[in-house]
Amino acid sequence: AQRVTQPEKLLSVFKGAPVELKCNYSYSGSPELFWYVQYSRQRLQLLLRHISRESIKGFTADLNKGETSFHLKKPFAQEEDSAMYYCALSGQGGSEKLVFGKGTKLTVNP
Amino acid sequence: DTGVSQDPRHKITKRGQNVTFRCDPISEHNRLYWYRQTLGQGPEFLTYFQNEAQLEKSRLLSDRFSAERPKGSFSTLEIQRTEQGDSAMYLCASSFAGTGAYEQYFGPGTRLTVT
Repeated sequence: AQRVTQPEKLLSVFKGAPVELKCNYSYSGSPELFWYVQYSRQRLQLLLRHISRESIKGFTADLNKGETSFHLKKPFAQEEDSAMYYCALSGQGGSEKLVFGKGTKLTVNP
Repeated sequence: DTGVSQDPRHKITKRGQNVTFRCDPISEHNRLYWYRQTLGQGPEFLTYFQNEAQLEKSRLLSDRFSAERPKGSFSTLEIQRTEQGDSAMYLCASSFAGTGAYEQYFGPGTRLTVT
């Protein structure tokens, strides 16, 4: 079964502190992994995906197939990073439908 | 092109009524997806179209739900005989599917409240 688990519903850090949002997945095969973000009163948007290996807004995520994890990290959190973050996976080929985790609400305090 | 649009943004209806939502994807995108999001949950896949063909439906999509994408452009999602459990945010997304994983662009959603 395809499943994405985000164990933390809420995460609060201070500005300048490192942040890590955890994501574990279950999938039989080689999935594509994504992080989507939703800022207050805005639509869901792609933050990054593992195949591009990019760093967006200072965030990085490494796919660890052994641990089936795709944790999102940023060394120095900013107040504007406060948002809802969703980890998602899709299968290669086919519908490429997204399976989302329940999300983690990140709050960066001044 | 201002991205994926959805109409209406909010809908309040009484139990038992029918409702229809519309999604206009980004014009060059050939795939269109519908998701549903309830409070405290991530979006859940409902169905998707490639051009005008509906190629996959989730088991979440009961027979009270029907979706269409005539001419491969906009799509409609109809819910018949609404129930309180249908209250949710309905999200539409579109993408251009060739090879590889293409980004899905999401609309603002339609929030349905069934009273």
